[in-house]
Amino acid sequence: EAGVTQFPSHSVIEKGQTVTLRCDPISGHDNLYWYRRVMGKEIKFLLHFVKESKQDESGMPNNRFLAERTGGTYSTLKVQPAELEDSGVYFCASSQLAGGLTYEQYFGPGTRLTVT
Amino acid sequence: QKEVEQDPGPLSVPEGAIVSLNCTYSNSAFQYFMWYRQYSRKGPELLMYTYSSGNKEDGRFTAQVDKSSKYISLFIRDSQPSDSATYLCAMIMNYGGATNKLIFGTGTLLAVQP
Repeated sequence: EAGVTQFPSHSVIEKGQTVTLRCDPISGHDNLYWYRRVMGKEIKFLLHFVKESKQDESGMPNNRFLAERTGGTYSTLKVQPAELEDSGVYFCASSQLAGGLTYEQYFGPGTRLTVT
Repeated sequence: QKEVEQDPGPLSVPEGAIVSLNCTYSNSAFQYFMWYRQYSRKGPELLMYTYSSGNKEDGRFTAQVDKSSKYISLFIRDSQPSDSATYLCAMIMNYGGATNKLIFGTGTLLAVQP
């Protein structure tokens, strides 16, 4: 079974540009999470989708970040315009939803974003 | 104040040593406690999770939770070079609930020397 995949693995952009990160969850997983690790800090929650609906977006830093999950499959996270402080590793995780309960989150390898 | 505190290390031990990794937390609402292992350039991988206070053992790994002290530990017996990784503690308020956002510690970098 394929795990969570993320694309690209590494992106280097200039301040003010736009970047779109993609996450493909494990097939059949209705829950999809985005997390971010800024250098020297802990991994922090950004938002949670259940299928195509945003369940919790309390961790999104500001309105320069837009997450979508059309059709309840893969998700994209767009940063526009990017700022220097957006640099970090962006992780996606997915988990199954059964009987209204959610279970173990499986993480992708992350996208390393560098804003110069 | 951070919700979860974890010593970043690095921690270097000889092969075969017993390793003790720890986290403290401030929010008494946390009910589920996880340990993740992360190898370089990979995503975190769940090692163990425990509910409330007590011990849980899985092979060479033992997870311990003391809710009265808001303190959790992970012990690794007979450590191997392949255990070299970053170990992250994480917590959830209500596992199996509507949303299970993980609250992470900063991670401890462990190196097991052959």
